[in-house]
Amino acid sequence: GNSVTQMEGPVTLSEEAFLTINCTYTATGYPSLFWYVQYPGEGLQLLLKATKADDKGSNKGFEATYRKETTSFHLEKGSVQVSDSAVYFCALEAGGYQKVTFGTGTKLQVIP
Amino acid sequence: SAVISQKPSRDICQRGTSLTIQCQVDSQVTMMFWYRQQPGQSLTLIATANQGSEATYESGFVIDKFPISRPNLTFSTLTVSNMSPEDSSIYLCSHSGGRGTEAFFGQGTRLTVV
Repeated sequence: GNSVTQMEGPVTLSEEAFLTINCTYTATGYPSLFWYVQYPGEGLQLLLKATKADDKGSNKGFEATYRKETTSFHLEKGSVQVSDSAVYFCALEAGGYQKVTFGTGTKLQVIP
Repeated sequence: SAVISQKPSRDICQRGTSLTIQCQVDSQVTMMFWYRQQPGQSLTLIATANQGSEATYESGFVIDKFPISRPNLTFSTLTVSNMSPEDSSIYLCSHSGGRGTEAFFGQGTRLTVV
């Protein structure tokens, strides 16, 4: 079956530090890959996505590249801000069934 | 993208009782999904709800415990039956724009069973 393995948190960084959150996946066929973010007290929302190999998704300074050879979709940001403090979920959708499989989530805390 | 309104946003319930969670979408969608997010954990799919047919449950979830209704293309309910403290979680409904597109979520229902 499909699965997503995500770096465990919590991750604590100082403002302007570089962020990497690792994500690898197992899936049948060619999945679409997503990063979702859950800010404190808010609902889950899409951060970025990639639908085929070598695609790069980007949004709000965050980037992730779909690496088929390593089955990875690592999230990066060059300079984090306090407002980036949230829980980040790596996810995939495969097989055309529209069901989403989530990783365990990584809590990021950015301190001034 | 369709907007999802979910209610209640939170509730505290006595063990042995049932709670029905409602999700209203502002446009017609074919498939809706119900997830559970236990404290500090990821989202786990409970079931897929299609209009006009019975919901399809994932392993570990059964209709007697989590009955779902899908009376039309804009509405669905999830009932958490005969609750115990272990059912304390956030429950979310969702729909997808289609294959390879993002999923959209309701704000979630934070359930506490005492």
